[in-house]
Amino acid sequence: GQQVMQIPQYQHVQEGEDFTTYCNSSTTLSNIQWYKQRPGGHPVFLIQLVKSGEVKKQKRLTFQFGEAKKNSSLHITATQTTDVGTYFCAGRTGGSYIPTFGRGTSLIVHP
Amino acid sequence: DAGVIQSPRHEVTEMGQEVTLRCKPISGHDYLFWYRQTMMRGLELLIYFNNNVPIDDSGMPEDRFSAKMPNASFSTLKIQPSEPRDSAVYFCASSLFQETEAFFGQGTRLTVV
Repeated sequence: GQQVMQIPQYQHVQEGEDFTTYCNSSTTLSNIQWYKQRPGGHPVFLIQLVKSGEVKKQKRLTFQFGEAKKNSSLHITATQTTDVGTYFCAGRTGGSYIPTFGRGTSLIVHP
Repeated sequence: DAGVIQSPRHEVTEMGQEVTLRCKPISGHDYLFWYRQTMMRGLELLIYFNNNVPIDDSGMPEDRFSAKMPNASFSTLKIQPSEPRDSAVYFCASSLFQETEAFFGQGTRLTVV
C-alpha cells in the first residue's frame, strides 16, 4: 500500500536555529497536508499543497511540494519554543481519497 | 462550533472489559475518521465513515474492534474484550469533504491494565 516516509524522527535545535522536516512517498501524490501536534494535544491542520512545485508560507513556516509530487518539506526559520511539537505530513494518492500519515518529526527547541 | 468532541478524555480499564469511545463530529461534516496513535505505530487510520456509512474498515486491528455511526452527529468505537496492547490515544476526526482538512478531537487516552 501507499507509504509516506518522514524524516528525521526527532530534531533538537537551539532556539533561533532553523528546522526542516521531509516527507517522501513511493507514489505520486494528488495533494499533501501538514499537521502540527503539540505535546499532549491533537493534530491541528496547518496547510494543504496541491500543485507541482507549489510553495506556501505562513509567517516563519515554508511548505514545499516537489515537482514530481512525491515529496514535500516544511521549513521553520528561527525556531521558537512555541514551535515545539510533532509535525506530520499526510499524503493522498489519486486512487485513495483518504490521506496516509507519516510517522511525524518531533521538534524539540532548547531555549 | 465546539469542534469535534470526544469522550471520555481518559479511560482506565481492566483487561477483558468492554470499552466504548464516543465522538461527536462537527455539524455538517460528511466524513468521520477513527485513528489510533501509539509510539510504536504512529497515527493509524482504523475506519472511516461517509454520511454515516462505513467505507473502509481495513485498519481495524481485529474482530474485538467495532465502530458504528447511528446518525450524523454521533459515532462509537467499541473494544470487546480489551487487552493491554490496545492502550493508546484514540482520535476521532471529521472533514467536510474527503479531500479537505481533517479536524481532530482532543482524543481519548485508553489504558488497559
